Amino acid sequence: AQSVSQHNHHVILSEAASLELGCNYSYGGTVNLFWYVQYPGQHLQLLLKYFSGDPLVKGIKGFEAEFIKSKFSFNLRKPSVQWSDTAEYFCAVNARGANNLFFGTGTRLTVIP
Amino acid sequence: NAGVTQTPKFQVLKTGQSMTLQCAQDMNHEYMSWYRQDPGMGLRLIHYSVGAGITDQGEVPNGYNVSRSTTEDFPLRLLSAAPSQTSVYFCASTDVGVGGNSPLHFGNGTRLTVT
Repeated sequence: AQSVSQHNHHVILSEAASLELGCNYSYGGTVNLFWYVQYPGQHLQLLLKYFSGDPLVKGIKGFEAEFIKSKFSFNLRKPSVQWSDTAEYFCAVNARGANNLFFGTGTRLTVIP
Repeated sequence: NAGVTQTPKFQVLKTGQSMTLQCAQDMNHEYMSWYRQDPGMGLRLIHYSVGAGITDQGEVPNGYNVSRSTTEDFPLRLLSAAPSQTSVYFCASTDVGVGGNSPLHFGNGTRLTVT
């Protein structure tokens, strides 16, 4: 079975700082990778996804993520965070062809104005 | 367009009681699923369904039952609630499955407390 590790549990940044959240997965086959975001009091919504092709994918609100197959990683980045980015971020992995989506434990991001 | 609707939003149960969490979607999605979200553990898949009449177990199915008699509805049943089932429950759907090109659409969640 797949598993997803997010090593940063809580990240605190000042506005305009750069962000990188780590995500590693364990699965030897082909995967689809996702980042979801949960703003305070809201449900999860998709930030970006990788299925194939260019390993650098761009999502909404200036977020991007890079798939590094050799490292089994799919780290999320943003050059300059805003207070409105305060949320919980979840990495998720799906084995190609399977119907399960496995989520990481989440990283809570707090951006200080 | 309501999307994914979950009811109730909050529920308190006593140990041993039963209840059904409701989930309905109006997007004609084939795939529906239930997750529970616990602090420090992220979201864990309970059960999922790839279409009416078809259900399967996820990571943490014990203590929960599901059925899928229509495309729109995917209720989650707790037959005998336990304190370990205190959690926030999310229903999610997508049109062709989690590996497809469209994302999971989540409901707003049901916060369940079992005393």
